[in-house]
Amino acid sequence: DVVLTQTPPTLSATIGQSVSISCRSSQSLLHSNGNTYLNWLLQRPGQPPQLLIYLVSRLESGVPNRFSGSGSGTDFTLKISGVEAEDLGVYYCVQSTHAPTFGGGTKLELK
Amino acid sequence: AVQLVESGGGLVQPKESLKISCAASGFTFSNAAMYWVRQAPGKGLEWVARIRTKPNNYATYYADSVKGRFTISRDDSKSMVYLQMDNLKTEDTAMYYCTATGTYWGQGVMVTVSS
Repeated sequence: DVVLTQTPPTLSATIGQSVSISCRSSQSLLHSNGNTYLNWLLQRPGQPPQLLIYLVSRLESGVPNRFSGSGSGTDFTLKISGVEAEDLGVYYCVQSTHAPTFGGGTKLELK
Repeated sequence: AVQLVESGGGLVQPKESLKISCAASGFTFSNAAMYWVRQAPGKGLEWVARIRTKPNNYATYYADSVKGRFTISRDDSKSMVYLQMDNLKTEDTAMYYCTATGTYWGQGVMVTVSS
């Protein structure tokens, strides 16, 4: 199985601060069809996960553009440019190029 | 609006069975691969089962932890997806989420396995 390693496990930020979360894969996530099936999810406390970014860098409809994704192959990054209070929760990367797997999560909390 | 509504959760004893359901609306269900994902209390997300679409022969895939015990199925005519869980273990205790292609998510249904 593909292992996704997220760092850091916990992130403390102030409102307005920019932060980044890393997701590293044990195998390349480039599919034979040319797509890279790496998504980012946010799970707010007591809520189900919601999709933020798909195919590495495409913003899901309705998601603020302070969120951005980048990367290729085995290294991926989620950046939040100016954290807002509603961004607090746990972020997960998830891949479906191979049998689907999730990263371990990164908890974003207020400093 | 897209909706995924899970039902059928509850408290069962080890080795018992339970079937949970997910009713979908607001998108073309028959075109969507459907997944069940679970989250044990205080833990991360774990993919459980996946079922593809009719053109892909409704192929199914399972996590090793549930293979041989869980069965995913779908009824495109009703926009429903199911998870039949047999020989349940205490470690199957979790919130179970239905998701369409990982894009749309339900609110989840709690399954507790305890004697």
